Amino acid sequence: EVQLVQSGAEVKKPGESLKISCQGFGYRFANSWIGWVRQMPGKGLEWMGIIYPGDSDTKYSPSFQGQVTMSADKSITTAYLQWSGLRASDTAIYYCARVYSSGGARYFDLWGRGTPVTVSS
Amino acid sequence: QSVLTQPPSVSGAPGQRVTISCTGSSSNIGAGSDVNWYQQLPGTAPKLLFYGDNYRPSGVPDRFSGSRSGSSASLAIAGLQAEDEATYYCQSYDSSPSGWVFGGGTKLTVL
Repeated sequence: EVQLVQSGAEVKKPGESLKISCQGFGYRFANSWIGWVRQMPGKGLEWMGIIYPGDSDTKYSPSFQGQVTMSADKSITTAYLQWSGLRASDTAIYYCARVYSSGGARYFDLWGRGTPVTVSS
Repeated sequence: QSVLTQPPSVSGAPGQRVTISCTGSSSNIGAGSDVNWYQQLPGTAPKLLFYGDNYRPSGVPDRFSGSRSGSSASLAIAGLQAEDEATYYCQSYDSSPSGWVFGGGTKLTVL
């Protein structure tokens, strides 16, 4: 089955580091960009960035540049999103999604279920 | 403040038709970037509903349709059903600064 499986919910304290994962199944993981999307409690979707697992090329949203780091390991079909110093404002659900890109078309055609992250002292 | 502007909420009775607007600018929709729509049912992940202005993924009923004009786009839902109650997001690509952009989301209530 074609799917993206995300790691489980996390509860962290401010200042701690965190790395969440997104594993792809059923398709050529290395050949499709993976995007990360944040959804803060009760709010809308925010694009964070995309990564190409084939060569780990990345493109960050200006809003998230320097705040998070995306990485990928194509050998285990997994993409990662990490923080080095969490803040309470990082509390959100983080979704990974596969990018379909062809010509002018760019959209997320497959989504993971999301990883809830809670940052609280 | 989202780059793409959507009404916060719309509502309609079962069987009615509703439309959800998505207004962008000359650096995204107005520049010809595709508009895509996602449906997020309560407590679940978003799902691709409509892409490339006028295409539905398999499994999406033809009650859903899309259109665009200038720097705006619209999603229309005909024959409203209770299961359509969800939040709908438009998405496009912006050239300045380059990247993906979402609308703020529109919550659809089926009365």
